[in-house]
This record gives sequence, structure tokens and C-alpha cells, in this order.
Amino acid sequence: IAGITQAPTSQILAAGRRMTLRCTQDMRHNAMYWYRQDLGLGLRLIHYSNTAGTTGKGEVPDGYSVSRANTDDFPLTLASAVPSQTSVYFCASSSMPNTEAFFGQGTRLTVV
Amino acid sequence: GQQVMQIPQYQHVQEGEDFTTYCNSSTTLSNIQWYKQRPGGHPVFLIQLVKSGEVKKQKRLTFQFGEAKKNSSLHITATQTTDVGTYFCAGMGWHTGNQFYFGTGTSLTVIP
Repeated sequence: IAGITQAPTSQILAAGRRMTLRCTQDMRHNAMYWYRQDLGLGLRLIHYSNTAGTTGKGEVPDGYSVSRANTDDFPLTLASAVPSQTSVYFCASSSMPNTEAFFGQGTRLTVV
Repeated sequence: GQQVMQIPQYQHVQEGEDFTTYCNSSTTLSNIQWYKQRPGGHPVFLIQLVKSGEVKKQKRLTFQFGEAKKNSSLHITATQTTDVGTYFCAGMGWHTGNQFYFGTGTSLTVIP
């Protein structure tokens, strides 16, 4: 059982480039989330999806977009990366929006 | 700004000492969750509190939700080296769009 899988594990990206972080879960969870983790700031919610076909903005959505075409996948796209988007990105899922969240292993992204 | 605040940011304790981290919100929360993240790892769910004044225990860990549902605490009795990590609270309420917003976390170091 894989649970929740993120790819890539790490990436160095030139500023201005487009990048998609992938997230797949095999638990048939309805809700999925993207967080970024920065030292001293904890985890901040970027975007979420309560169910397939719907998405919503979290605390820090600017510069990011998401889609939820099916239950399993929730990709996060940076249209034009900037250095301030250097962070560790975690994808998570939960059976319902107000239940226990399961996190992926994270993607370490460096924008130079 | 950060919706959910946590203190302290860092805590060093001698093995066997107790540890407490506090989580505070300026507005009423409907639910609060607690997670633990080991160094280099991903957040792992510990517990969820829903009721005003609720207290839950997991072995040496005691979780409490305040009467006004604006604050919460995690207390660890007689810390062990396996308790090392960062502890996050995550609060949900109308002001967070009914999504969980994480606190800034408390990093616990246990000195053997």
C-alpha cells in the first residue's frame, strides 16, 4: 500500500520556469491538500480540494494553481517560479475535510 | 498573518522532564488536531479534539482543548529521546474557511 506519493523528491529550478509537483493517493480519500513548510512559519495551506472536481484557495495561493480531475491525483503547478517559492512542499489527503490527514514524503524545491 | 499561534518555538529538556506546547487562536475553533514531525520526516497525525474542555490521553501525552475553544495544549510527561521532533497544532474554524490551518510548531529536543 503506497498511501500518498509525491514526485519529484527534490528539484532545483531556474526562476521563471514552469513546474508541476505531482501527488497521487490510493486511499480513495475525498479531500486533498498542498502545504508549504518554511522554517519558523510551520505549514501553510496553499490550495485544497474537498472532492474531485472542486478546488479552493488556502492561506498562500498566489503563484500556484491546482486541478482535481479525479479522486487520486492533485498536481500543484508553479506557472513562473520565483526564489520565494523555495520551500518543502507537502501533499496530504483525508477521507473527509475535517478528519485525520495523511502526508506524503514531501518535495524539496529550490528556485534559483 | 498566521491564524494559529504556537509557543514556544523551541524547547530543550533533559530526558525525564515534562514538556508542554501551547496553541492559541484569536477566534473560536470548531476542531483542533495535533501532529508530530520527526526530523527529516513528514507530519503524522496524533489526535483530534472537538468538544469544549475536552481532554484526551495517549500514554504519556495529554491533549486539552480550552473551554472557549480558542486554545489547546499538548503535555508530555517524562520525555524520552523518541519524543524528539516538531509538534504542530492545526485549527479549523469559520475564519479558516473550514480548512485546517497549522500553527508555527514547537521543536522539541530531548537531552539524554
